[in-house]
Amino acid sequence: SQKIEQNSEALNIQEGKTATLTCNYTNYSPAYLQWYRQDPGRGPVFLLLIRENEKEKRKERLKVTFDTTLKQSLFHITASQPADSATYLCALGGAGGSYIPTFGRGTSLIVHP
Amino acid sequence: GAVVSQHPSWVICKSGTSVKIECRSLDFQATTMFWYRQFPKQSLMLMATSNEGSKATYEQGVEKDKFLINHASLTLSTLTVTSAHPEDSSFYICSARTSGRETGELFFGEGSRLTVL
Repeated sequence: SQKIEQNSEALNIQEGKTATLTCNYTNYSPAYLQWYRQDPGRGPVFLLLIRENEKEKRKERLKVTFDTTLKQSLFHITASQPADSATYLCALGGAGGSYIPTFGRGTSLIVHP
Repeated sequence: GAVVSQHPSWVICKSGTSVKIECRSLDFQATTMFWYRQFPKQSLMLMATSNEGSKATYEQGVEKDKFLINHASLTLSTLTVTSAHPEDSSFYICSARTSGRETGELFFGEGSRLTVL
């Protein structure tokens, strides 16, 4: 069955360092992948989209890579700040003709000052 | 970005009662809205796709008679949890796309925390 895996353990890093979050998937051939940020008790907020024919996307301090051979996406936040602390969700879509994204459970990032 | 408003943000009700949650697109028209359910530390689970002017499409395992969805206008979709029970307690979130782009980002409401006593 299709599976999206994000590390369930929280990632703790020091302010100023680069945070790297991983999204792995199996039995899936997505046409695109999205990353969202979710704060406690709030709805997710879109961050970045990357398509299957793209290797890397950047937006300010954010960088996303997409390796369809490894079936993996990496999400990087450079020069991390305590305000970046949140849960980050990856979402895959476009598999089997369905363009409604399917979400992973997210990884919690905690940036310590 | 586009704004999706959800109301109420939290609700507590007695077992057996029905609860209605509203989802509005404030500055755009949404022919399609999506309803998700999220348990603590779990992923967003798609419940149904709400289509303006037609019946909602429910995901497998979601009881359509229990979770009634109405999308009466291009800016409003409602989810009614009928005869709610404690196991229905969860965080319900709606979302919408601003355009017909299939890879377009989803704009989410603030979510509604339902607690059934």
